[in-house]
Amino acid sequence: DVKVTQSSRYLVKRTGEKVFLECVQDMDHENMFWYRQDPGLGLRLIYFSYDVKMKEKGDIPEGYSVSREKKERFSLILESASTNQTSMYLCASSSSEGGYEQYFGPGTRLTVT
Amino acid sequence: GEDVEQSLFLSVREGDSSVINCTYTDSSSTYLYWYKQEPGAGLQLLTYIFSNMDMKQDQRLTVLLNKKDKHLSLRIADTQTGDSAIYFCAEFDSGGYQKVTFGTGTKLQVIP
Repeated sequence: DVKVTQSSRYLVKRTGEKVFLECVQDMDHENMFWYRQDPGLGLRLIYFSYDVKMKEKGDIPEGYSVSREKKERFSLILESASTNQTSMYLCASSSSEGGYEQYFGPGTRLTVT
Repeated sequence: GEDVEQSLFLSVREGDSSVINCTYTDSSSTYLYWYKQEPGAGLQLLTYIFSNMDMKQDQRLTVLLNKKDKHLSLRIADTQTGDSAIYFCAEFDSGGYQKVTFGTGTKLQVIP
């Protein structure tokens, strides 16, 4: 069964802190994605990666960076957290073959105070 | 760029059929997806359809694709209270890098 896990379900951080969100997938997928989800705005793509050490900006990359040192792991980094980064963060992965469907982790609810 | 639109809310009675609609703009979409999100959880892939198909059925779920009108629908037969969730339509971005564009989601409320 496909599995994507995220390091935390809930996280509370202070403004200015550096925040790491980790995502691990066990399907040997090439592609991994980070989204944020906010009420009324749907899912917005922050960054994605189609291979180890490769990254591409999504629609809202400002204030975020990512790291993909291993195929199964994709990290989202908030260099200096701000209150407007309070959100639900969703990680997903997909294969480069077949239907390209994305499989999602359970999400991390981040609150920045 | 690509755009995927859905109505925000749908309310149905338990046992009735639900039909959730979606329109998209990318005429070169090759795959279209339906996802379900329960409160506080990630998105769960329900089904997807290849663009050369008109219909796909999977148990209580029926997906209809009208490629000419760029319209996708998800029908849930015999809707149950456990079907209450947000449903997202999404399309595969054929422009490259396996990006998927999601709609804003339709919240389905099932009334007992």
